[in-house]
Amino acid sequence: GAGVSQTPSNKVTEKGKYVELRCDPISGHTALYWYRQSLGQGPEFLIYFQGTGAADDSGLPNDRFFAVRPEGSVSTLKIQRTERGDSAVYLCASSLNRASPLHFGNGTRLTVT
Amino acid sequence: DAKTTQPTSMDCAEGRAANLPCNHSTISGNEYVYWYRQIHSQGPQYIIHGLKNNETNEMASLIITEDRKSSTLILPHATLRDTAVYYCIVIGTGANNLFFGTGTRLTVIP
Repeated sequence: GAGVSQTPSNKVTEKGKYVELRCDPISGHTALYWYRQSLGQGPEFLIYFQGTGAADDSGLPNDRFFAVRPEGSVSTLKIQRTERGDSAVYLCASSLNRASPLHFGNGTRLTVT
Repeated sequence: DAKTTQPTSMDCAEGRAANLPCNHSTISGNEYVYWYRQIHSQGPQYIIHGLKNNETNEMASLIITEDRKSSTLILPHATLRDTAVYYCIVIGTGANNLFFGTGTRLTVIP
């Protein structure tokens, strides 16, 4: 079956620009997560959605980062005024519910020049 | 945030069992041990999890010590495709923030 899909797979943008990263979770999964992974490090938690609402956004680094999931399925991670330090792989995961294992997509590699 | 300690890297000969250790001496009674792996350029993949008892599935076995302070992930017959970074994660039921750490880089050698 279809797994978690993330688009684009690669995104190059200039410092100061706005970017949107899309995540299509597995159908029927109510929980959705965003993580960020820098080179040589493990993924770091950003935000968790249960349905349409952000149940935990404690991992978002600052107010330039925002995520939505308006219909409880597709989610978009939005980054304003990008900085070079935002360069990383942004991973999305979904799970059947918050007690189930996470299924990850292959990520979007964001490069800010 | 680190609740687990893993070796930085390990090698294993193809066809042999790979035994990946993890220390979690501060684990609480309601916390599970989860294992994920990440193959190069892919997202993490769930392998197995357990609470107290040993667990086995089609991918691996998980052996948890009686005091629950450490565990071992066993890949019974390692193949070249098992080369990856393996993450041992301790998390409570219903918690939503997996702390991955840096994991163990397993290299399976032909």
